[in-house]
Amino acid sequence: SQELEQSPQSLIVQEGKNLTINCTSSKTLYGLYWYKQKYGEGLIFLMMLQKGGEEKSHEKITAKLDEKKQQSSLHITASQPSHAGIYLCGAARMDSSYKLIFGSGTRLLVRP
Amino acid sequence: EADIYQTPRYLVIGTGKKITLECSQTMGHDKMYWYQQDPGMELHLIHYSYGVNSTEKGDLSSESTVSRIRTEHFPLTLESARPSHTSQYLCASSDGGGVHTEAFFGQGTRLTVV
Repeated sequence: SQELEQSPQSLIVQEGKNLTINCTSSKTLYGLYWYKQKYGEGLIFLMMLQKGGEEKSHEKITAKLDEKKQQSSLHITASQPSHAGIYLCGAARMDSSYKLIFGSGTRLLVRP
Repeated sequence: EADIYQTPRYLVIGTGKKITLECSQTMGHDKMYWYQQDPGMELHLIHYSYGVNSTEKGDLSSESTVSRIRTEHFPLTLESARPSHTSQYLCASSDGGGVHTEAFFGQGTRLTVV
């Protein structure tokens, strides 16, 4: 079963618009990672959130982790075509293995 | 920039052939991972290693095998490739020092079995 649920599955926005991607876990997370993947390539690390209520920003991308550490959102302000790609949230599984697992991803397309 | 490399980048091979996908990292990371990703974009963990001589199966059952004889090297082998093995394979590594360290990914190997 999928341990990390992402929504929406896909998103098409007009350039300049804001957008939000969500990632939800049924269990409390040790840490939450956001990655971006260009089609057919590897994953690029964006941000890591560890503390409840934490918020981080990089350029026009802001990620937040809720107080309960079960939900995270990724917000892009004034989207650009360069933001297009697949966004994946990841987390270390909370057992002795700490294996890194991922949500199903959100495919973002930004129309010029 | 991440120092983790996968070769080959693309591979088209006939059914029944034995193949090895290479993954190397120069960061001295203890943990290494193999993920399988189909066009539907979900990543499935197929193999995991804590360190040298330590490997485990992931969540998704896979006919592939892995080895970890050296810290920097984590090859994945398919003894007899089948069309169902067609997919993208992503290798990653992370520092084993703690839970809260990000993983670095290679560029992936896109495998097509014909």
